[in-house]
Amino acid sequence: DTEVTQTPKHLVMGMTNKKSLKCEQHMGHRAMYWYKQKAKKPPELMFVYSYEKLSINESVPSRFSPECPNSSLLNLHLHALQPEDSALYLCASSQGFLRVGNTIYFGEGSWLTVV
Amino acid sequence: GIQVEQSPPDLILQEGANSTLRCNFSDSVNNLQWFHQNPWGQLINLFYIPSGTKQNGRLSATTVATERYSLLYISSSQTTDSGVYFCAAITGGFKTIFGAGTRLFVKA
Repeated sequence: DTEVTQTPKHLVMGMTNKKSLKCEQHMGHRAMYWYKQKAKKPPELMFVYSYEKLSINESVPSRFSPECPNSSLLNLHLHALQPEDSALYLCASSQGFLRVGNTIYFGEGSWLTVV
Repeated sequence: GIQVEQSPPDLILQEGANSTLRCNFSDSVNNLQWFHQNPWGQLINLFYIPSGTKQNGRLSATTVATERYSLLYISSSQTTDSGVYFCAAITGGFKTIFGAGTRLFVKA
């Protein structure tokens, strides 16, 4: 069983809607991530939070707005999305820096369809 | 930036067969990981392997950092091994650069 929990698993939203994706981990990890994965493509990093502060924003459009309310929770607020934003959104967490041997754990993902 | 290339892109195996997946990377990396993405989308971390060889059951991995490649071996494949296998290079503190993946289908 994954220790990173994402909700909802499936979301269909219109281009004028506002919705949020939620992610939760209880492993005491201090880094949390959002990735976007299009069909038949590898995951692409969107955002990284470290100690609840935004550490990396990979030039993501402002219609995606991340939020880290506390060390266990990570949200991705969605507004005025386009159909091309339809994808699998993956949340992940790690104890800290990946380069020093910390393992990254992924959630099961949220499948988003924009109509 | 660093390039991560995987081969083959697609692989079909009969149950029980063995296979080798390859990952080449264009520059020195802090570390390298192998993942399996199941048909439902979940990414499972298989190996964290900057160099040397590791084994976990029917899976093993070898990374030769000086020659910039890593290999994933699957022995006695099972239908549950189907999915996409990604290698990913770790650059910097938090960034993971994924290869395009190898899509594996194991036939019963």
